Amino acid sequence: GESVGLHLPTLSVQEGDNSIINCAYSNSASDYFIWYKQESGKGPQFIIDIRSNMDKRQGQRVTVLLNKTVKHLSLQIAATQPGDSAVYFCAENSWGKLQFGAGTQVVVTP
Amino acid sequence: GAGVSQSPSNKVTEKGKDVELRCDPISGHTALYWYRQSLGQGLEFLIYFQGNSAPDKSGLPSDRFSAERTGGSVSTLTIQRTQQEDSAVYLCASSSGTGFYEQYFGPGTRLTVT
Repeated sequence: GESVGLHLPTLSVQEGDNSIINCAYSNSASDYFIWYKQESGKGPQFIIDIRSNMDKRQGQRVTVLLNKTVKHLSLQIAATQPGDSAVYFCAENSWGKLQFGAGTQVVVTP
Repeated sequence: GAGVSQSPSNKVTEKGKDVELRCDPISGHTALYWYRQSLGQGLEFLIYFQGNSAPDKSGLPSDRFSAERTGGSVSTLTIQRTQQEDSAVYLCASSSGTGFYEQYFGPGTRLTVT
Protein backbone atom coordinates (compact mmCIF):
# COMPACT_ATOMS: atom_id res chain seq x y z
CA GLY A 1 0.00 0.00 0.00
CA GLU A 2 2.88 2.36 -0.50
CA SER A 3 1.73 5.70 -1.67
CA VAL A 4 3.16 6.49 -5.04
CA GLY A 5 3.57 10.09 -5.81
CA LEU A 6 1.79 12.44 -8.14
CA HIS A 7 4.26 15.19 -7.24
CA LEU A 8 2.56 15.23 -3.87
CA PRO A 9 2.52 18.55 -2.08
CA THR A 10 4.61 18.32 1.06
CA LEU A 11 3.92 19.86 4.42
CA SER A 12 6.95 20.07 6.67
CA VAL A 13 6.01 20.51 10.31
CA GLN A 14 8.11 20.80 13.42
CA GLU A 15 7.35 18.28 16.13
CA GLY A 16 4.86 19.74 18.58
CA ASP A 17 3.39 22.24 16.13
CA ASN A 18 -0.09 21.98 14.66
CA SER A 19 -0.59 20.78 11.09
CA ILE A 20 -3.29 21.83 8.69
CA ILE A 21 -3.92 19.82 5.55
CA ASN A 22 -6.33 21.11 2.94
CA CYS A 23 -8.47 19.45 0.33
CA ALA A 24 -10.86 20.67 -2.32
CA TYR A 25 -13.66 18.47 -3.59
CA SER A 26 -15.65 18.73 -6.76
CA ASN A 27 -19.10 17.22 -6.23
CA SER A 28 -21.45 19.60 -4.43
CA ALA A 29 -23.83 16.68 -3.85
CA SER A 30 -21.26 14.75 -1.81
CA ASP A 31 -22.51 14.15 1.70
CA TYR A 32 -19.82 12.13 3.40
CA PHE A 33 -16.11 12.84 3.64
CA ILE A 34 -13.26 10.92 5.18
CA TRP A 35 -9.61 11.57 5.95
CA TYR A 36 -7.16 8.71 5.58
CA LYS A 37 -3.53 8.35 6.60
CA GLN A 38 -1.19 6.15 4.59
CA GLU A 39 2.22 5.11 5.85
CA SER A 40 4.83 3.63 3.59
CA GLY A 41 4.04 0.03 2.65
CA LYS A 42 0.58 0.07 4.19
CA GLY A 43 -2.97 0.60 3.07
CA PRO A 44 -4.88 3.79 3.93
CA GLN A 45 -6.03 4.01 7.53
CA PHE A 46 -9.21 5.81 8.60
CA ILE A 47 -8.62 8.93 10.70
CA ILE A 48 -11.91 10.80 10.94
CA ASP A 49 -15.06 11.38 8.94
CA ILE A 50 -17.70 14.08 8.63
CA ARG A 51 -21.14 14.27 7.09
CA SER A 52 -22.39 17.22 5.12
CA ASN A 53 -24.83 18.26 7.85
CA MET A 54 -21.86 19.18 10.03
CA ASP A 55 -19.11 21.74 9.61
CA LYS A 56 -16.74 20.52 12.29
CA ARG A 57 -15.90 17.27 13.98
CA GLN A 58 -13.23 16.51 16.53
CA GLY A 59 -11.35 13.36 17.36
CA GLN A 60 -8.26 12.59 19.34
CA ARG A 61 -5.75 15.32 18.33
CA VAL A 62 -7.56 15.74 15.00
CA THR A 63 -10.27 18.09 13.80
CA VAL A 64 -11.97 18.10 10.43
CA LEU A 65 -13.59 21.23 9.07
CA LEU A 66 -16.02 21.24 6.17
CA ASN A 67 -16.92 24.33 4.17
CA LYS A 68 -19.63 23.35 1.72
CA THR A 69 -19.87 26.84 0.27
CA VAL A 70 -16.41 26.62 -1.26
CA LYS A 71 -16.24 22.81 -1.32
CA HIS A 72 -13.26 22.68 0.99
CA LEU A 73 -12.20 20.24 3.65
CA SER A 74 -9.34 20.52 6.10
CA LEU A 75 -7.67 18.28 8.64
CA GLN A 76 -5.98 19.77 11.65
CA ILE A 77 -3.55 17.71 13.68
CA ALA A 78 -2.67 19.09 17.09
CA ALA A 79 0.81 18.72 18.57
CA THR A 80 2.18 16.83 15.56
CA GLN A 81 4.33 13.83 16.43
CA PRO A 82 6.92 11.86 14.42
CA GLY A 83 4.38 9.07 14.03
CA ASP A 84 2.16 11.46 12.11
CA SER A 85 4.59 11.45 9.20
CA ALA A 86 2.64 9.92 6.32
CA VAL A 87 0.58 10.78 3.25
CA TYR A 88 -2.88 12.10 4.04
CA PHE A 89 -5.83 11.76 1.68
CA CYS A 90 -9.27 13.23 1.75
CA ALA A 91 -12.01 11.18 0.15
CA GLU A 92 -15.62 11.68 -0.87
CA ASN A 93 -17.81 8.66 -0.20
CA SER A 94 -20.43 8.28 -2.88
CA TRP A 95 -22.54 5.33 -1.67
CA GLY A 96 -19.50 3.29 -0.82
CA LYS A 97 -17.26 4.33 -3.67
CA LEU A 98 -14.43 6.46 -2.39
CA GLN A 99 -13.05 9.21 -4.59
CA PHE A 100 -9.67 10.23 -3.28
CA GLY A 101 -7.80 13.49 -3.53
CA ALA A 102 -4.19 13.52 -4.63
CA GLY A 103 -2.78 13.42 -1.11
CA THR A 104 -0.41 15.52 0.97
CA GLN A 105 2.91 14.26 2.30
CA VAL A 106 3.43 15.34 5.91
CA VAL A 107 7.00 15.32 7.17
CA VAL A 108 7.56 15.89 10.87
CA THR A 109 10.94 17.31 11.77
CA PRO A 110 12.48 17.17 15.23
CA GLY B 1 -9.12 -9.31 15.24
CA ALA B 2 -7.62 -10.00 11.84
CA GLY B 3 -7.73 -7.22 9.32
CA VAL B 4 -8.03 -7.34 5.56
CA SER B 5 -5.33 -9.49 4.02
CA GLN B 6 -4.10 -9.56 0.45
CA SER B 7 -1.87 -11.90 -1.47
CA PRO B 8 0.63 -11.89 -2.93
CA SER B 9 2.23 -8.79 -1.47
CA ASN B 10 4.33 -8.37 -4.60
CA LYS B 11 3.85 -9.74 -8.08
CA VAL B 12 6.12 -9.33 -11.08
CA THR B 13 4.74 -10.53 -14.37
CA GLU B 14 5.57 -10.27 -18.03
CA LYS B 15 3.49 -8.19 -20.36
CA GLY B 16 0.70 -10.27 -21.85
CA LYS B 17 0.37 -12.69 -18.93
CA ASP B 18 -2.73 -13.00 -16.76
CA VAL B 19 -2.57 -12.34 -13.01
CA GLU B 20 -4.87 -13.04 -10.09
CA LEU B 21 -4.84 -10.99 -6.92
CA ARG B 22 -6.56 -12.20 -3.80
CA CYS B 23 -8.35 -10.40 -0.99
CA ASP B 24 -9.58 -11.82 2.31
CA PRO B 25 -11.93 -9.31 3.91
CA ILE B 26 -12.66 -8.91 7.59
CA SER B 27 -14.96 -11.72 8.69
CA GLY B 28 -18.60 -10.68 8.57
CA HIS B 29 -18.06 -7.67 6.34
CA THR B 30 -20.65 -7.68 3.59
CA ALA B 31 -19.05 -5.05 1.36
CA LEU B 32 -15.73 -5.48 -0.44
CA TYR B 33 -13.94 -2.94 -2.61
CA TRP B 34 -10.99 -2.90 -4.97
CA TYR B 35 -8.93 0.23 -5.59
CA ARG B 36 -5.79 0.91 -7.58
CA GLN B 37 -2.99 3.26 -6.61
CA SER B 38 -0.68 4.28 -9.42
CA LEU B 39 1.72 7.05 -10.33
CA GLY B 40 -0.43 8.52 -13.03
CA GLN B 41 -3.87 8.23 -11.47
CA GLY B 42 -3.52 8.31 -7.70
CA LEU B 43 -6.02 6.20 -5.77
CA GLU B 44 -8.95 5.13 -7.92
CA PHE B 45 -12.02 2.99 -7.36
CA LEU B 46 -12.31 -0.18 -9.46
CA ILE B 47 -15.22 -2.35 -8.30
CA TYR B 48 -17.27 -3.17 -5.25
CA PHE B 49 -19.43 -6.02 -4.02
CA GLN B 50 -22.28 -5.71 -1.53
CA GLY B 51 -23.89 -8.88 -0.28
CA ASN B 52 -25.66 -10.76 -3.06
CA SER B 53 -26.23 -7.69 -5.20
CA ALA B 54 -24.67 -7.32 -8.62
CA PRO B 55 -21.23 -5.74 -8.27
CA ASP B 56 -20.64 -2.12 -9.21
CA LYS B 57 -18.02 -2.41 -11.95
CA SER B 58 -18.08 1.22 -12.97
CA GLY B 59 -14.41 1.83 -12.14
CA LEU B 60 -12.86 -1.02 -14.10
CA PRO B 61 -10.57 0.55 -16.72
CA SER B 62 -11.03 -2.09 -19.42
CA ASP B 63 -12.58 -5.47 -20.11
CA ARG B 64 -9.23 -7.06 -19.27
CA PHE B 65 -10.13 -6.48 -15.63
CA SER B 66 -12.64 -8.63 -13.79
CA ALA B 67 -13.36 -9.63 -10.24
CA GLU B 68 -15.41 -12.16 -8.41
CA ARG B 69 -16.36 -12.78 -4.84
CA THR B 70 -17.04 -16.33 -3.83
CA GLY B 71 -19.39 -17.19 -1.00
CA GLY B 72 -19.64 -13.59 0.05
CA SER B 73 -16.10 -13.64 1.39
CA VAL B 74 -12.84 -13.98 -0.54
CA SER B 75 -12.44 -11.95 -3.72
CA THR B 76 -10.13 -12.35 -6.68
CA LEU B 77 -9.21 -9.55 -9.06
CA THR B 78 -8.06 -10.88 -12.43
CA ILE B 79 -6.16 -8.89 -15.01
CA GLN B 80 -5.84 -10.55 -18.39
CA ARG B 81 -3.12 -9.82 -20.92
CA THR B 82 -1.35 -7.43 -18.56
CA GLN B 83 0.09 -4.20 -19.89
CA GLN B 84 2.82 -2.01 -18.42
CA GLU B 85 0.26 0.62 -17.50
CA ASP B 86 -1.36 -1.94 -15.17
CA SER B 87 1.65 -1.62 -12.86
CA ALA B 88 0.30 -0.26 -9.60
CA VAL B 89 -0.59 -1.16 -6.05
CA TYR B 90 -3.96 -2.89 -5.88
CA LEU B 91 -5.77 -2.27 -2.63
CA CYS B 92 -8.71 -4.15 -1.21
CA ALA B 93 -11.05 -2.81 1.48
CA SER B 94 -14.05 -4.16 3.31
CA SER B 95 -16.83 -2.66 5.40
CA SER B 96 -19.82 -3.87 7.34
CA GLY B 97 -22.16 -2.11 4.92
CA THR B 98 -22.23 0.45 2.16
CA GLY B 99 -22.81 4.15 2.50
CA PHE B 100 -21.69 5.66 5.79
CA TYR B 101 -19.51 2.77 6.88
CA GLU B 102 -15.79 2.84 7.49
CA GLN B 103 -13.73 0.98 4.92
CA TYR B 104 -10.80 -1.00 6.24
CA PHE B 105 -7.93 -1.41 3.82
CA GLY B 106 -5.50 -4.24 3.31
CA PRO B 107 -1.78 -3.68 2.72
CA GLY B 108 -2.13 -4.02 -1.04
CA THR B 109 -0.49 -6.05 -3.78
CA ARG B 110 2.26 -4.31 -5.72
CA LEU B 111 2.01 -5.42 -9.34
CA THR B 112 4.90 -4.80 -11.72
CA VAL B 113 4.46 -5.62 -15.38
CA THR B 114 7.77 -5.92 -17.25
